[in-house]
Amino acid sequence: DGGITQSPKYLFRKEGQNVTLSCEQNLNHDAMYWYRQDPGQGLRLIYYSQIVNDFQKGDIAEGYSVSREKKESFPLTVTSAQKNPTAFYLCASSPTVYNEQFFGPGTRLTVL
Amino acid sequence: SQELEQSPQSLIVQEGKNLTINCTSSKTLYGLYWYKQKYGEGLIFLMMLQKGGEEKSHEKITAKLDEKKQQSSLHITASQPSHAGIYLCGAEGYAGGTSYGKLTFGQGTILTVHP
Repeated sequence: DGGITQSPKYLFRKEGQNVTLSCEQNLNHDAMYWYRQDPGQGLRLIYYSQIVNDFQKGDIAEGYSVSREKKESFPLTVTSAQKNPTAFYLCASSPTVYNEQFFGPGTRLTVL
Repeated sequence: SQELEQSPQSLIVQEGKNLTINCTSSKTLYGLYWYKQKYGEGLIFLMMLQKGGEEKSHEKITAKLDEKKQQSSLHITASQPSHAGIYLCGAEGYAGGTSYGKLTFGQGTILTVHP
């Protein structure tokens, strides 16, 4: 079954702790993306990667970090420097950056 | 940066009614995507429009992009409870710019369909 998986679906962390969100795809897509969604707002791009071992900052990269060591994996770390980390995080992938994006089910992060 | 404005922000209709959601850009669009989202879930790709005047349909949903490529509409005919959710438009940069697949999204339209 091809698709994008994100884990876990719900994540709770204490303030000041770093946390890593998982995103895996078996669609053989080159491009992968991380978005953040807050209530009443659309999606905002955090980081994106056009190809393995390369990634670029999106519109709201401060307080986040990523890696792209494997084609199928694009983990996102929410660091303690992120001022307001509680949000719904969505990962997406596309065959190339010029195709439609396919989204994972999302991870809801709550920082207590 | 490009901004996308969706209207209305929310919509409540009776089953069987037609409805339209609009997405307006401040700049000429390179590509316009429509997605649907159930609350707390990922986005489902609906349609992509690229040419001025283009129109695409899938089942009871029709999306159009105006000739100037600054406004798109999503029309649902004979709405059903299964159409309920959040509809988001996303734009892939603007004409003359460099997009690299970066999508800018509107704030979403929440659709409720009463049986």
